[in-house]
Formats: sequence, structure tokens, C-alpha cells
Amino acid sequence: KQEVTQIPAALSVPEGENLVLNCSFTDSAIYNLQWFRQDPGKGLTSLLLIQSSQREQTSGRLNASLDKSSGRSTLYIAASQPGDSATYLCAVRYAGGTSYGKLTFGQGTILTVHP
Amino acid sequence: KAGVTQTPRYLIKTRGQQVTLSCSPISGHRSVSWYQQTPGQGLQFLFEYFSETQRNKGNFPGRFSGRQFSNSRSEMNVSTLELGDSALYLCASSILFAGEAFFGQGTRLTVV
Repeated sequence: KQEVTQIPAALSVPEGENLVLNCSFTDSAIYNLQWFRQDPGKGLTSLLLIQSSQREQTSGRLNASLDKSSGRSTLYIAASQPGDSATYLCAVRYAGGTSYGKLTFGQGTILTVHP
Repeated sequence: KAGVTQTPRYLIKTRGQQVTLSCSPISGHRSVSWYQQTPGQGLQFLFEYFSETQRNKGNFPGRFSGRQFSNSRSEMNVSTLELGDSALYLCASSILFAGEAFFGQGTRLTVV
């Protein structure tokens, strides 16, 4: 079964810390992997998209890596700020007919950055 | 440029009624997909449309249906509402079926 798992489920850190969020997936046959953030009661904001042929992507203080062979992706947040507090979601587009057009999501990591 | 627009933002319906939700994708995006988000199940895929054709459907009962129009706007319909249909319904658009997905703010449906 094609699944996505995120660890930890929740994380609380002081402002200024560098942190890593983990995402694992069960099948290496993927089109791409996308990281999102979601603020309470809101929609999803796209953070980074990594294509299956790429190893990492960077945007500002965010860096995401992809290792298809081990079925893992990490999202690295540098110098965290209280405004980074949100739920972070990892989503995978698996390849294959039954996965067409579908994002498979993890359960998310709830991040709290306290001043 | 305008993002994905979902209307309405909030809905309260009674069990047994039906509801229609609307999604306008980013201009030029031809793929629209729908997701249901609940605290217990997380985000679950409902269906995906590309060029007015449903290309994939998730594991939801037939009460959930959708369509896409020639301008790429999409609607989803839920008939005979149940209490368990209460959720945040999210729409996403992308240029191609496997492109970067951009989500709207969602429609919060409450069934009483």
C-alpha cells in the first residue's frame, strides 16, 4: 500500500533553532514530493516541490532533500521563528495508473516555535 | 496572479440535503483535484479532473461526485449528506497532472 509517514507528530522548539522534519514513503516509484504548511483553519501553502530526478530544493531558510532509494525526505528549517509555527505536510505523487493525479499525504508535523 | 478560489468558505447543511462546492483554478491550470480533510483521517483524495475528464477517483461513496467545465472551473457535489461528511474540502490546481499543486482556502462544511 502506498503510504506517507511523518515524524515527529509534534515539535516544540525555542526561536532561533535549526530543525529537521522527516517524511518517509513506501514506494520509490514517485513523480515528485511536495512540502506544504497549513495554518489553523486555512488551506495549504506550497513550500517546496522536489522532482523525482532531484536530490534537494532550497527556498530561503528552507531546504528539502529527497532520497528515493531509502524512501525518505527531510525538510530543514534554519533559524526558526515564531511565524514558522504551523502544521507541515509532506505529500507524494506516486507513479502508476491508480495514483494518477493524486497526492498522498502524511499526517503532518505540528511545529511550535516559542519566543 | 490570482490563486485558487473556493466558494463558499463556510456551509452549514442538514443531514439528507445535498451541497455543491465550487473551485476556480489558477489561470492556465488544467488539472483540478479535490481533497477532504478531517481530524481523524487527515487529507484524503476525492477525485482529479483534467480537461473536463475525471482521471482518478478516491475511495469515497457514489454520493460524492464532481465535474469540470471547459474553463477548468470545477464543482463537487455531495448528495444525501451525513454527519460524517463534516470536513474541510480543499481544491488544488496544477498546470499538468503531476505539476506543483496549489491549494485554495477550502470550504468548511458542517452537517447537523
